[in-house]
Amino acid sequence: DAKTTQPNSMESNEEEPVHLPCNHSTISGTDYIHWYRQLPSQGPEYVIHGLTSNVNNRMASLAIAEDRKSSTLILHRATLRDAAVYYCILRDGDNNDMRFGAGTRLTVKP
Amino acid sequence: DARVTQTPRDKVTEMGQEVTMRCQPILGHNTVFWYRQTMMQGLELLAYFRNRAPLDDSGMPKDRFSAEMPDATLATLKIQPSEPRDSAVYFCASGLEPSGRATGELFFGEGSRLTVL
Repeated sequence: DAKTTQPNSMESNEEEPVHLPCNHSTISGTDYIHWYRQLPSQGPEYVIHGLTSNVNNRMASLAIAEDRKSSTLILHRATLRDAAVYYCILRDGDNNDMRFGAGTRLTVKP
Repeated sequence: DARVTQTPRDKVTEMGQEVTMRCQPILGHNTVFWYRQTMMQGLELLAYFRNRAPLDDSGMPKDRFSAEMPDATLATLKIQPSEPRDSAVYFCASGLEPSGRATGELFFGEGSRLTVL
């Protein structure tokens, strides 16, 4: 299984941008990079995903390194509601498998 | 507002009892996943289905856990007999991946919290 490595925790100030890193050095050509987050006492929530090109949506941006061995989830302006555990997951495009790691716990300070 | 519905939300039972958790995927979705979450192990994939067919249930203890999809609107996860170590929050998720390409987003339910005494 392709694996991801994320910092255990990060802190941010409210209304500032947040860059959440993810390393995936063993990524294969068919792996998509997915990000989910889990707010306290809730189920995980989809954030964004991509394959090779950078992606933007209403929640966040995903910057993918040229060699695809790392990626960064960017929250452009953190709010207190963004405090959550953020998971970076590699998902094989030929396989439905989706497995979570430990994720990064993001704390947002007012 | 389409959502994945899980029942029960909370269940307390005694060791040895049978427990059934139910999940109603979003109408039209063709993939269903079951996860278990504990503080120690995090989110563990138990089983997943595509078009009602089980693709992988290697994450489940086979002797006591079973997962089925009797129809497209219902997925069940059964534990018989239950043990205290099964205490966890169980999440169901569904997605729409019509060509079997795992590129879509999954929608998660709010979870079923199970406590086995």
